[in-house]
Amino acid sequence: AQSVTQLDSQVPVFEEAPVELRCNYSSSVSVYLFWYVQYPNQGLQLLLKYLSGSTLVKGINGFEAEFNKSQTSFHLRKPSVHISDTAEYFCAVSDPENTGFQKLVFGTGTRLLVSP
Amino acid sequence: DADVTQTPRNRITKTGKRIMLECSQTKGHDRMYWYRQDPGLGLRLIYYSFDVKDINKGEISDGYSVSRQAQAKFSLSLESAIPNQTALYFCATSDYRRYNEQFFGPGTRLTVL
Repeated sequence: AQSVTQLDSQVPVFEEAPVELRCNYSSSVSVYLFWYVQYPNQGLQLLLKYLSGSTLVKGINGFEAEFNKSQTSFHLRKPSVHISDTAEYFCAVSDPENTGFQKLVFGTGTRLLVSP
Repeated sequence: DADVTQTPRNRITKTGKRIMLECSQTKGHDRMYWYRQDPGLGLRLIYYSFDVKDINKGEISDGYSVSRQAQAKFSLSLESAIPNQTALYFCATSDYRRYNEQFFGPGTRLTVL
């Protein structure tokens, strides 16, 4: 079964600094990869997704992620964060080879704390 | 108006009580899901439904039941609530053509005393 590891439970960063949130997945076969963001007291919202093609994926709010098959990673980056980026970020994976239900497997989340 | 709504948003109840959490969507999606979120554990799938007549257990369905009353409505019930069901519950929807891009409701915070 696939699994997702987000090693950092919390990442503190100053406003306008760059940030990288790490995500590693367990399988080296074909995967679909996702990053979701959860703002305080809200549901999850899709930031970006990788299905195929270019390994550099751009999402909303200036975020991007790079799919690295050899490293089984899908790290999320932003060159300059804002206070409003304070939220919890979830990496998720699904298996496109599964002819049945392609469920999403979520990581445990990384809380990004942006301070002035 | 929100595309995926959940009621109630907060609920405190006692051990042994029956609780129903409701989810409605206006996105026209066929697939609906219930997840629970616990600190440090991420989201875990409780039940999912591909249409009104197709309901399936997820990874943690024990102690829960669901009802898909219509394409737009999917309810989660706790027949006899226990304290370890205290969690944040999310409903989500997706279109079968969109590779698991799921749209989430705002969540229901449930506390079982």
